Amino acid sequence: GENVEQHPSTLSVQEGDSAVIKCTYSDSASNYFPWYKQELGKGPQLIIDIRSNVGEKKDQRIAVTLNKTAKHFSLHITETQPEDSAVYFCAVGFGGSQGNLIFGKGTKLSVKP
Amino acid sequence: NAGVTQTPKFQVLKTGQSMTLQCAQDMNHEYMSWYRQDPGMGLRLIHYSVGAGITDQGEVPNGYNVSRSTTEDFPLRLLSAAPSQTSVYFCASSDAGGSGNTIYFGEGSWLTVV
Repeated sequence: GENVEQHPSTLSVQEGDSAVIKCTYSDSASNYFPWYKQELGKGPQLIIDIRSNVGEKKDQRIAVTLNKTAKHFSLHITETQPEDSAVYFCAVGFGGSQGNLIFGKGTKLSVKP
Repeated sequence: NAGVTQTPKFQVLKTGQSMTLQCAQDMNHEYMSWYRQDPGMGLRLIHYSVGAGITDQGEVPNGYNVSRSTTEDFPLRLLSAAPSQTSVYFCASSDAGGSGNTIYFGEGSWLTVV
């Protein structure tokens, strides 16, 4: 089955710096790649997603890039702010079923003021 | 607009007890699912449903039952709780139309089995 690896598990950056989180996956048939942000005591919230017919997508300070040949995709956060501190999860849609996701194990991002 | 609502928020069970985690969504979504989240493991799919009357197993279904009698509700049942089921449980929903639809998560249910 699908296997999703996420790195790094923890990331600490200075406010204003950029943060990059990378995920790799194993099933070349996967076609949907969302990123979720989870704050303490809350459910995951979708922050950006990309589908397999697109190589890059940007939404203000957040961007996701996808390399289908290498089977990896990355989350880029620019001009980080303390409120970006959270756990970020990548996920991969699989199996053709509506909405089933395999998640990475998460990255705890700390933005120091 | 409530979105995905889970109850209870917190629950402590004794080993062998049964309970039901409730999940309701008001977005008329066809697809609903349950995930569990354990430290260092990310979220893992337990069961899912693509519509009323249809359920299927996910990655870690053992020890859990589900049913989908209405579009709005998707309860998760633990028939005989075990300490290994101590976890945070998230219900999720998305619209119909194939993989790639936005998935909305509830706020979570913290379950401790002693």
